[in-house]
Amino acid sequence: EVQLVESGGRLVQPGRSLRLSCRTSGFSFGAYAMGWVRQTPAKGLEWVGFIRSKVYGGTIEYAASAKGRFIISRDDSKRIAYLQMNSLRTEDTAVYYCGVTTYHYYGMDVWGQGTTVTVSS
Amino acid sequence: NFMLTQPLSVSESPGKTVTISCTRSSGSVATNYVQWYQQRPGSAPNTMIYDNNQRPSGVPDRFSGSIDRSSNSASLTISGLRTEDEADYYCQSHATDGPWVFGGGTKLTVL
Repeated sequence: EVQLVESGGRLVQPGRSLRLSCRTSGFSFGAYAMGWVRQTPAKGLEWVGFIRSKVYGGTIEYAASAKGRFIISRDDSKRIAYLQMNSLRTEDTAVYYCGVTTYHYYGMDVWGQGTTVTVSS
Repeated sequence: NFMLTQPLSVSESPGKTVTISCTRSSGSVATNYVQWYQQRPGSAPNTMIYDNNQRPSGVPDRFSGSIDRSSNSASLTISGLRTEDEADYYCQSHATDGPWVFGGGTKLTVL
């Protein structure tokens, strides 16, 4: 069974950093691209970015809102995807989901359960 | 980037069929694949349709997806409605240069 478990979400002050982890099991992690999507009541679902598998160069695509502040990475030996969030803003408050992307990278195939990030002073 | 517009809510009775639309504001809906996600209250999204009309394993064949070039929209059709189908449904596609775009979501009530 494919399982994805996010962790690391918590209350953090504006301007600080936070790293989210997405631990996985039940599939060949190294063969798949991993994506991040966030959700807020106001904006709904919002794409953050994804990282391709190393077979396809491990390249990363970011949403405009994440570019320059967020960094997606992966550790295939540990089967974990990461989302490093820097210079956090109140508008980054959201539930963050990781997932396995579709084969063409432009959708989510399997989703994690989400982790909540609250940015507030 | 384009927008994907969904009705805020739809409702239908158990056993009936309902269709949720997702209209693309610019560019052709046929250019980029559309996905559909179900989100029950308090839960993570779950993929119901990918690549316009493909069902992941485990998704019942009561769920089907399609696109209509004439209306520039995608549709999710759920037949034989059950109370457990009550959820929010989101369509999603992507711009040719990459960014994913989500619809605002449709609340399905099965009454």
